[in-house]
Amino acid sequence: AQSVSQHNHHVILSEAASLELGCNYSYGGTVNLFWYVQYPGQHLQLLLKYFSGDPLVKGIKGFEAEFIKSKFSFNLRKPSVQWSDTAEYFCAVNAPYKLIFGTGTRLQVFP
Amino acid sequence: GAGVSQSPSNKVTEKGKDVELRCDPISGHTALYWYRQRLGQGLEFLIYFQGNSAPDKSGLPSDRFSAERTGESVSTLTIQRTQQEDSAVYLCASSHRTGGREKLFFGSGTQLSVL
Repeated sequence: AQSVSQHNHHVILSEAASLELGCNYSYGGTVNLFWYVQYPGQHLQLLLKYFSGDPLVKGIKGFEAEFIKSKFSFNLRKPSVQWSDTAEYFCAVNAPYKLIFGTGTRLQVFP
Repeated sequence: GAGVSQSPSNKVTEKGKDVELRCDPISGHTALYWYRQRLGQGLEFLIYFQGNSAPDKSGLPSDRFSAERTGESVSTLTIQRTQQEDSAVYLCASSHRTGGREKLFFGSGTQLSVL
């Protein structure tokens, strides 16, 4: 069955530190990949998405992700985090007739 | 069950027909969300329930869309007189608060195709 794994459940960083959140999926066919963010008290927002083309995708707020097909991975990165990046981050995979989310990673950034 | 359950997983309907989508949240989760994702786009918020009340219906795209939740459990999303632009994956999520943090759990979605 298709699944999405986010191995980092809780990440704590200081401001200006670099961030990388892991996302691996299991599905052998063509997929669309997403990262969503949920800020405290708000709804999910789309950070970035990959459908095809350049595997390095740039999103909002300085986030980027790289699709590595051979590793079934779509890791999220940001070179320098800010306190306002404190949120829950979800990786999602859109396979045929399915939209599958990972369990989420809680990011806490301290000043 | 252990997770959020949505049914049907796949629905094909004709333009103009009504459809009803169902979400069974995790037992004890008071918050329930409906989102949709149309082809090539990100998630679009539809409605949020806290218990049986819906304090935020701001995302419902038209009066053809309605949702209800009974007994702080099952929720149904109804789309009347479906249009082709309603084709999307409709996603349900429920959540609970622990340690001041809201933890979301997702269903696997209902793929709606309007012909």
